[in-house]
Amino acid sequence: QSALTQPPSASGSPGQSVTISCTGTSSDVGGYNYVSWLQQHPGKAPKVVIYEVTKRPSGVPDRFSGSKSGNTASLTVSGLQAEDEADYYCSSYAGSNNLVFGRGTRLTVL
Amino acid sequence: QLQLQESGPGLVKPSETLSLTCTVSGDSISSSNYFWGWIRQSPGKGLEWIGSIYYGGSTYYNPSLKSRVTISVDTSKNQFSLKLSSVTAADTAVYYCARLILGYCLNGVCYWRYFDLWGRGTLVTVSS
Repeated sequence: QSALTQPPSASGSPGQSVTISCTGTSSDVGGYNYVSWLQQHPGKAPKVVIYEVTKRPSGVPDRFSGSKSGNTASLTVSGLQAEDEADYYCSSYAGSNNLVFGRGTRLTVL
Repeated sequence: QLQLQESGPGLVKPSETLSLTCTVSGDSISSSNYFWGWIRQSPGKGLEWIGSIYYGGSTYYNPSLKSRVTISVDTSKNQFSLKLSSVTAADTAVYYCARLILGYCLNGVCYWRYFDLWGRGTLVTVSS
């Protein structure tokens, strides 16, 4: 299986919104609603911010939202804050007992 | 509160076998709701799923690593382990263990929802 496609970088100013895309195929992103998004600060373990395309774990600000259209999932961070600066990875169930991650997007808060 | 902790050698020689253990504390590894997984992150690179195991012993591996990977579970110790054979420098990475939320299994196919809790990770360097 191939890694999901994400833009290497994204940026926005405090208070703005930024959207990160995650493109796969009908065998992974497009085929299942098991897409999640992970936030990783430098030197830290990943933390889930969105699961099952649109759901937010308790404790994650509602500034984080997710969506999906066809084979592309998206993570939107609204009202950007300095603490949102991190690497973001998408992940998807890929059928036949497989999982796949995206290559990651570095989000910079300008 | 559930915690996961990776342990094992930080340096492995080329062609040898990398061995890591993940100790789960705060809850039993023998829950029907979860799988347990290994993920790695090469320096400056993204995440790569290595494989996952159920407390009953069912295992599933990334096809690209399947020939070299063995994951096992010891419910008496609340641990699961990773062995990766014939390592090369390309296997140098931070290795994470994590809990994988199970949706359901049907006809031998399991549908996983997401990784909800991760260990802090451990760096393994392959070098002579």
